[in-house]
Amino acid sequence: QKEVEQNSGPLSVPEGAIASLNCTYSDRGSQSFFWYRQYSGKSPELIMFIYSNGDKEDGRFTAQLNKASQYVSLLIRDSQPSDSATYLCAVNAKGSQGNLIFGKGTKLSVKP
Amino acid sequence: GAGVSQSPRYKVAKRGQDVALRCDPISGHVSLFWYQQALGQGPEFLTYFQNEAQLDKSGLPSDRFFAERPEGSVSTLKIQRTQQEDSAVYLCASSSRQVQQPQHFGDGTRLSIL
Repeated sequence: QKEVEQNSGPLSVPEGAIASLNCTYSDRGSQSFFWYRQYSGKSPELIMFIYSNGDKEDGRFTAQLNKASQYVSLLIRDSQPSDSATYLCAVNAKGSQGNLIFGKGTKLSVKP
Repeated sequence: GAGVSQSPRYKVAKRGQDVALRCDPISGHVSLFWYQQALGQGPEFLTYFQNEAQLDKSGLPSDRFFAERPEGSVSTLKIQRTQQEDSAVYLCASSSRQVQQPQHFGDGTRLSIL
């Protein structure tokens, strides 16, 4: 069974620190990887996507992918209290019709 | 509209009633997905449309769940003879092409079955 695993947290970091969120996946054939942010009671909001091994940076966010280790991470630099949310890792498996497999999410709390 | 629109935002129904949830995707988006999200969990895939064709319905939990997208735009998810375990948030997402493209989610419909 295809799985995506995340530490449920909560992960607590002080304002201004780097938050590191991690995700592992079981399907070695996975090709596309996404990070969504979900505020309580709201819908998932796309933060980053990455397809190739290495790092991808967008503002304060960096996604890191290591296909050999089946590992994807999200770094948030200069964390702000407004970053407090649940972060969902999602994987689009090879051969699928495009549907995403989500982890349960990591709850991040940024303390002022 | 600019984003994915879902209605109603909230739906309360008595067990045994039928419900219909609507999704209006981003204009021009070919692919449309339905997900179910239970409290404290990540979304789980229900079904996928490419234009009007339902290409994958492997995630639908029972034959009480039915989805359609007759003109390749608006989609409706119907749940017949609702049960308490159907209580969840139902999310609709759309993307511009079939695979790999990021999916954009609507605000969801929170369904409560009494």
